[in-house]
Amino acid sequence: ELKVEQNPLFLSMQEGKNYTIYCNYSTTSDRLYWYRQDPGKSLESLFVLLSNGAVKQEGRLMASLDTKARLSTLHITAAVHDLSATYFCAVGYTGNQFYFGTGTSLTVIP
Amino acid sequence: NAGVTQTPKFQVLKTGQSMTLQCAQDMNHNSMYWYRQDPGMGLRLIYYSASEGTTDKGEVPNGYNVSRLNKREFSLRLESAAPSQTSVYFCASPQPSGGNTIYFGEGSWLTVV
Repeated sequence: ELKVEQNPLFLSMQEGKNYTIYCNYSTTSDRLYWYRQDPGKSLESLFVLLSNGAVKQEGRLMASLDTKARLSTLHITAAVHDLSATYFCAVGYTGNQFYFGTGTSLTVIP
Repeated sequence: NAGVTQTPKFQVLKTGQSMTLQCAQDMNHNSMYWYRQDPGMGLRLIYYSASEGTTDKGEVPNGYNVSRLNKREFSLRLESAAPSQTSVYFCASPQPSGGNTIYFGEGSWLTVV
């Protein structure tokens, strides 16, 4: 059974601190996606990771992929309030099927 | 370029009523999807269509039907709505290449009372 697990589910962090969100998946894949969702809004693409060892950075967010460990991380550096949102990882499989994690609700506290 | 457009944005139904959620994409993509989003459960795939004329069940298809009307349009129908179908529904369509970034519609908030 395909499973995509994110942790933590809820994350409250102070501005200026660093933290990492983890995404584990059960079946081999070389396509991993990170999305951001603001309350009441749709999902916005953040990163697409397509190979083992891929690392992408945008502002205070950095995503990486280890396909051997079936693990992706989303690292937040020096958090600011604007990063408060729910973050989802999704894993792509053959046939253009995508499975999403449960999401991590991030709150950055001033 | 509108991307993925879905209607309606909000709907309240009574138990047993039927309705259709409409989705259209103007990106000439082959694949289209319907997801539902519930608190603490992420997005779960209801049905998908890999190409015009084909549809397949996802993780949670019970209580739903779909129609891929043409390459642009993919509709989701609730024949007899139940309170358990209260959810936010997203239509999505991935790029056919270049990493397959998924583009989402704005969402449809459905409440069944």
